[in-house]
Amino acid sequence: GAGVSQSPSNKVTEKGKDVELRCDPISGHTALYWYRQSLGQGLEFLIYFQGNSAPDKSGLPSDRFSAERTGGSVSTLTIQRTQQEDSAVYLCASSRDRGDEKLFFGSGTQLSVL
Amino acid sequence: DQQVKQNSPSLSVQEGRISILNCDYTNSMFDYFLWYKKYPAEGPTFLISISSIKDKNEDGRFTVFLNKSAKHLSLHIVPSQPGDSAVYFCAASVNNAGNMLTFGGGTRLMVKP
Repeated sequence: GAGVSQSPSNKVTEKGKDVELRCDPISGHTALYWYRQSLGQGLEFLIYFQGNSAPDKSGLPSDRFSAERTGGSVSTLTIQRTQQEDSAVYLCASSRDRGDEKLFFGSGTQLSVL
Repeated sequence: DQQVKQNSPSLSVQEGRISILNCDYTNSMFDYFLWYKKYPAEGPTFLISISSIKDKNEDGRFTVFLNKSAKHLSLHIVPSQPGDSAVYFCAASVNNAGNMLTFGGGTRLMVKP
């Protein structure tokens, strides 16, 4: 596709349930990032994938959060046993390669945990 | 510990006037700085960037200034237009750090017709 695609655009879930968020990066982009934006806050880095290298997971807030990137393309962010504080907009971004700081963002998934 | 700070959560400017958005950082290792613009229900989009070897970069109505000694950067928009109304995020990165961008909290700019 022409841009970064994320699905679903909105997700409402109950506390304690697991959720999966999907990201389709721009074709050919080797770097993929997950960020989240809580209400009234800036963008918080979660995880970064570069090619086939081990991901940088330093931003994941707890072990309930995990992400994978299959075949160097599509990525899924999984949140287990969701909590109300997980409610945020989850943004995925991609860039051409490690040396390119110009990230292209998707529209995000608005996650609401009731 | 916020390494990138945007101390003004909002800014209101009259159409045609200059908008100045400010950003401060604490990590002296940052060597590349970017501004992103975000409309509601959309992801941020890249606007303009500056390397630490420069102190100014201009692109049309947008100019970014970097003051390394003060660890401060600013984005100037002149003349401001109503379509510029959005949330502006500054971001910084350290070379060879995997392109991980550290973002500020954003400033909501409102340009009044």
